Amino acid sequence: QVQLQESGPGLVKPSQTLSLTCIVSGGSISSGNYYWSWIRQPPGRGLEWIGYIYPSGSTYYKSSLKSRVSISVDTSKNQFSLKLRSVTAADTAVYYCAREGGDCSSNSCFGHYGMDVWGQGTTVTVSS
Amino acid sequence: QSALTQPASVSGSPGQSITISCTGTSSDVGGYNYVSWYQQHPGKAPKLMIYEVSNRPSGVSNRFSGSKSGNTASLTISGLRGEDEADYYCNSYTSSSTGVVFGGGTKLTVL
Repeated sequence: QVQLQESGPGLVKPSQTLSLTCIVSGGSISSGNYYWSWIRQPPGRGLEWIGYIYPSGSTYYKSSLKSRVSISVDTSKNQFSLKLRSVTAADTAVYYCAREGGDCSSNSCFGHYGMDVWGQGTTVTVSS
Repeated sequence: QSALTQPASVSGSPGQSITISCTGTSSDVGGYNYVSWYQQHPGKAPKLMIYEVSNRPSGVSNRFSGSKSGNTASLTISGLRGEDEADYYCNSYTSSSTGVVFGGGTKLTVL
């Protein structure tokens, strides 16, 4: 079955760029009909959707993060990545990658059928 | 986009039933049948319990059920067990960003 694994630095300095990768195993990231998402959870708080990318390469981001975030996919490595620029202490969180089912064509996706596969999460602390 | 509204906490005794509400707007919960629910135990990744308002993934107990009325979705857990004690989050597609939005989370305590 498909498994996801986040990787990246656990400590990032303020004003720098947070970079994480989610490695997909047990299935192809190009197989279609899925959104590939990033979600984060600050300490002691709830889940926050950051954004997703789908097979065509189209990306959608949470409005308040749009100016700082980018998500990309590397099909040759079967992985997708998150970059969050100009980080502050407020970006300290556990970061999760997840897969969500949809109905996807070559250019677009419709439907949201739940995030059925999650990575274990990786803790990122923003501190000097 | 604003987070969906959930009660901060609910509680129930073993064997009882509880319901967790999730209130949004016509741009999210009320406008689409793309509501999902997640269970999260401390230190663990969330687990999908319900999708498309009322569908259960394979392997999820039929003690978990979902419904929706207007702008409010609900998760009901019947026959409460100690292992159900966890945080629960709702999630919905939102047309305001063409993305998804989570609720603030509800802590379920089994007394």
